[in-house]
Amino acid sequence: EAGVAQSPRYKIIEKRQSVAFWCNPISGHATLYWYQQILGQGPKLLIQFQNNGVVDDSQLPKDRFSAERLKGVDSTLKIQPAKLEDSAVYLCASSFGRTQNNEQFFGPGTRLTVL
Amino acid sequence: GDSVTQMEGPVTLSEEAFLTINCTYTATGYPSLFWYVQYPGEGLQLLLKATKADDKGSNKGFEATYRKETTSFHLEKGSVQVSDSAVYFCALISGGSNYKLTFGKGTLLTVNP
Repeated sequence: EAGVAQSPRYKIIEKRQSVAFWCNPISGHATLYWYQQILGQGPKLLIQFQNNGVVDDSQLPKDRFSAERLKGVDSTLKIQPAKLEDSAVYLCASSFGRTQNNEQFFGPGTRLTVL
Repeated sequence: GDSVTQMEGPVTLSEEAFLTINCTYTATGYPSLFWYVQYPGEGLQLLLKATKADDKGSNKGFEATYRKETTSFHLEKGSVQVSDSAVYFCALISGGSNYKLTFGKGTLLTVNP
């Protein structure tokens, strides 16, 4: 079974530029998550989708971050414009459903460096 | 809101030593508890989980018991190997948090031969 795919793996940009990350979840997984992991910290949820609808974006900085999952499968996360503090690893995860016991499977992440 | 506190690292052990990484939590209701592991250069992987009080999760020689009375989920292994060197994250999911994973800060474990 293929895992969660993410691209690119690494990205370096200047501040105020824009960047986009892509995620393809495990086939059949209805729930997709984007997490931000700053160096030395645990991952923090940015946004959660159930199929193509947003169920939680309370911690997404909506003035600069946006995300979509138009067909309920793959997803893109965009930052525009980027700030220095956005340097982090962006993790995509998916699960079969939304319960306490559904395992979330993580992709390898995209490491973003903002200069 | 939900939160997870785990022991600060880094932790350095010799091969075959006993490992404990402490984890305590605050959550609404009755959360499910998880340990994730991140090996160098790889993504997060689920190591073990427990979904109710007194449950013991186990995998690859690692164990953790869900202790509701002390709100703890400490990770233990009787004899660590060099290949266990990684970052370990304690995490929880509760219905009150919209089913998102809330993570601790992670503990870096280095095992020397």
